[in-house]
Amino acid sequence: AQSVTQPDIHITVSEGASLELRCNYSYGATPYLFWYVQSPGQGLQLLLKYFSGDTLVQGIKGFEAEFKRSQSSFNLRKPSVHWSDAAEYFCAVGGSLSGSARQLTFGSGTQLTVLP
Amino acid sequence: DTGVSQDPRHKITKRGQNVTFRCDPISEHNRLYWYRQTLGQGPEFLTYFQNEAQLEKSRLLSDRFSAERPKGSFSTLEIQRTEQGDSAMYLCASTPTGDQPQHFGDGTRLSIL
Repeated sequence: AQSVTQPDIHITVSEGASLELRCNYSYGATPYLFWYVQSPGQGLQLLLKYFSGDTLVQGIKGFEAEFKRSQSSFNLRKPSVHWSDAAEYFCAVGGSLSGSARQLTFGSGTQLTVLP
Repeated sequence: DTGVSQDPRHKITKRGQNVTFRCDPISEHNRLYWYRQTLGQGPEFLTYFQNEAQLEKSRLLSDRFSAERPKGSFSTLEIQRTEQGDSAMYLCASTPTGDQPQHFGDGTRLSIL
């Protein structure tokens, strides 16, 4: 069975500082990996995805993530955090369903607080 | 692209009542998913439609839950005889193909009194 672990429940950084959010996954085959962001009372917005190819993927809002198969990790990074980045971040792995669909399994999320 | 639309945004009901939520996916997205998100957790998969066919159901989807997508466009999720544990955010997502990222709606927050 697939699973995702986000070890950090809550992270606080100062505006302008760098950020790294950790994600470890368990999946039997080559995973489809995603990072989503959720603001309070809202749905999830896709930040970036990894399907194959280059292991360093770029996303929206200046985020990037690196897929490391040997470590089963897909950590999210941003060189300089903005106050508007404060939100909850979810890592997800896409497992196979019938009809070539994907069932997303999410981690429990990391809440990011940005200090002025 | 108007996004995935869910209605209502909030639903408050008494325990034991039935509730129904609606999801309108992005036009021409033939794959539609329902997830449930409880406080402090990530979303959990409930069920999946390809066009009008319901192809997968999670064991989380007890017999009190039923989902439909009658014409392969919008979908409804009904919960019968609601219980306290049903309080959660119910999220809908859609995608045009299985390998494309899922686009999520803003969810329906259900509160059981």
